[in-house]
Amino acid sequence: QVQLQESGPGLVEPSQTLSLTCTVSGGSISSGAHYWTWIRQRPGKGLEWIGYIYYSGSTYYNPSLKSQVTISVDTSKNQFSLKLTSVTAADTAVYYCARESRTTNYFDCWGQGTLVTVSS
Amino acid sequence: QSALTQPASVSGSPGQSITISCTGTSSDIGSYNFVSWYQQHPGKAPKLIIYEVSQRPSGVSHRFSGSKSVNTASLTISGLQAEDEADYYCCSYAAGSTRQVFGGGTKLTVL
Repeated sequence: QVQLQESGPGLVEPSQTLSLTCTVSGGSISSGAHYWTWIRQRPGKGLEWIGYIYYSGSTYYNPSLKSQVTISVDTSKNQFSLKLTSVTAADTAVYYCARESRTTNYFDCWGQGTLVTVSS
Repeated sequence: QSALTQPASVSGSPGQSITISCTGTSSDIGSYNFVSWYQQHPGKAPKLIIYEVSQRPSGVSHRFSGSKSVNTASLTISGLQAEDEADYYCCSYAAGSTRQVFGGGTKLTVL
C-alpha cells in the first residue's frame, strides 16, 4: 500500500523560502499512472490545490501561486518536493502531499500533513 | 472564496440521512464527471470517499453515495453514525488554468 510522508521545517521566516519533501513508499513514483501533488489548508480553512508534478518532470501549478511555486521530483529517491518563495503569514498552513489519478483526477492517497508556520 | 460552493454546516440525528450540496459552474462540475468527495476528521488528512461523481473506493461504506445534476454535485450519507461527524469537501476538475477546484467544506454534526 502506497504511503506518503511530508518532511521539512515547521517554521519559516517571512520573505524566505518554504521547502518541503514528500517521500513515497510502497510504490514507485515513476509508475506513470499518477500525478504527485501538493495541497494546503490554511488554519480553519478549506483545501487549496497548489500543483502537481509527473515523474517525467512536467509540472502544472495553480495560477494564483504560480509565481511562488516550484515542484521538483527525484525518482531515484522516490521523492518530490515543494518550494514556495517569498512567503508571508498568509502561507501558514498544513501542507499535504497527495497522489492524484492521472486519468480521473481524484486524490486517493494523502500524507499526514505538516504544519508550516511563517513567523519571525 | 472557494470556487465550489458548499453549505457551511449540516446536521442530522443518528440513523437519518443527510445531503451535502456542491455547486459549481459549466466550467467544472457541469462539464466533467471528475467530481470527488473527501472526509476529514479533526487533525487528520482528508480521505477519499467518492470519485467520478458516484464511485466508492474499496473499503468505503455503502452509506456514502454521490450524484450530480447539471452544475451541482451532491453527497448523501444514509444511516448517520457518530463516526460520520467530520468536515466534507467536494472537488472538481475544471477547464482552464485552475484545473482542480475545491469547495469550502461542510461541517457535519451528528446530533
